[in-house]
Amino acid sequence: ETGVTQTPRHLVMGMTNKKSLKCEQHLGHNAMYWYKQSAKKPLELMFVYNFKEQTENNSVPSRFSPECPNSSHLFLHLHTLQPEDSALYLCASSQDITGILEAFFGQGTRLTVV
Amino acid sequence: KQEVTQIPAALSVPEGENLVLNCSFTDSAIYNLQWFRQDPGKGLTSLLLIQSSQREQTSGRLNASLDKSSGRSTLYIAASQPGDSATYLCAVTTGGSTLGRLYFGRGTQLTVWP
Repeated sequence: ETGVTQTPRHLVMGMTNKKSLKCEQHLGHNAMYWYKQSAKKPLELMFVYNFKEQTENNSVPSRFSPECPNSSHLFLHLHTLQPEDSALYLCASSQDITGILEAFFGQGTRLTVV
Repeated sequence: KQEVTQIPAALSVPEGENLVLNCSFTDSAIYNLQWFRQDPGKGLTSLLLIQSSQREQTSGRLNASLDKSSGRSTLYIAASQPGDSATYLCAVTTGGSTLGRLYFGRGTQLTVWP
């Protein structure tokens, strides 16, 4: 257990569906991140939140909508996705965004868009 | 833009061998370097974190070194075991406008057979 919990672990959705991914961390961290892992590609940063405020959007399409209601929870709202959005979505947290301290990852949500 | 390269992409060895995994990065202005392990379809488990001011870190049979000036890190695995089979990922953090972002390599897929 890394202290970062993601739900659901697996999700299959149609292109017209709306769904949400949830991430919760029990580490007392202030920074949370969404990463995308596609086959044959390095992990790509999607969003960064620090003290509930979004500090980075890595040119992510608007069909992905993040929400961070508090420092312990992070959501990724999905709507009108494309099959190429199928990937493993990983949430991470760290004490802050200085990049000095260790990052901890959840187990990921395997998303399949049909 | 920071780019991280890992060599080899895949490695298959018999149990008991000592292994060296390589990681290189293009921008030496890093804050830290982390080695992660990823089992198939799972999230990332942090193995070792090396701060930019450090030269190496050790945990059990794992030893990671960092040569910041040359942009290189190695992960040494002693007396490999079948349970070490996984993908090993190297990631660095940098400062400036990319605070908190981890830049990942594509990983080394390790198979240790009995």
